[in-house]
Amino acid sequence: EIVVTQSPAALSVSPGERVTLSCRTSQSVTSNLAWYQQKPGQAPRLLIYTASTRATGVPARFSGSGSGTEFTLTISSLQSEDFAIYYCHQYAHWPLYNFGQGTKLEVK
Amino acid sequence: QVQLVESGGGVVQPGRSLRLSCAASGFTFSKYNMHWVRQAPGKGLEWVAVISHEGSNVGHADSVKGRFSVSRDNSNSTLFLQMTILRPEDTAVYYCAKDIGGPLADWGQGTLVTVSS
Repeated sequence: EIVVTQSPAALSVSPGERVTLSCRTSQSVTSNLAWYQQKPGQAPRLLIYTASTRATGVPARFSGSGSGTEFTLTISSLQSEDFAIYYCHQYAHWPLYNFGQGTKLEVK
Repeated sequence: QVQLVESGGGVVQPGRSLRLSCAASGFTFSKYNMHWVRQAPGKGLEWVAVISHEGSNVGHADSVKGRFSVSRDNSNSTLFLQMTILRPEDTAVYYCAKDIGGPLADWGQGTLVTVSS
């Protein structure tokens, strides 16, 4: 089983700041990694897939990078609506997919 | 537009069974693999199960293997999750999600399952 580890668990940031979230997998998933945003009371929303491709309608301030076992999600300038929990998700080894434990972005 | 509507959640005693449904519309259901993902109260996302577009291949997380079974009815664009021998730790919001080749592009709003005596 591939273990997916996100860091940090929580991050306090100010609007306008640049933030980078990390995701690591226990074995290579090549580029088969996605990022999701979840706000309280809502379903997750797909942001990034194949490590760096933005989903439809996702603002350009969101970018993803990495391959193999190390991945990052960067938000170039945090907006108020970006405070949420972010999950990475590996889908390299069908049918066993799994998620990281999430990173919560909080207002400083 | 894509719509996924889960139903069938509720309060159930430990050891009992429950069947969840996910009604899909706005896309050709039979062309897509579909997933169940759950989220315990205040916790993160946990992948539960996947079924291939034609229904011949399935996969389940170790935590539910042997107790839960995913299935689908392509003629009625509906996804199912049969849950048996339910445990308190199965308490969660259960989401169905549409797979676009790995990433889960569309999600329902979820249905809450509470396992409690």
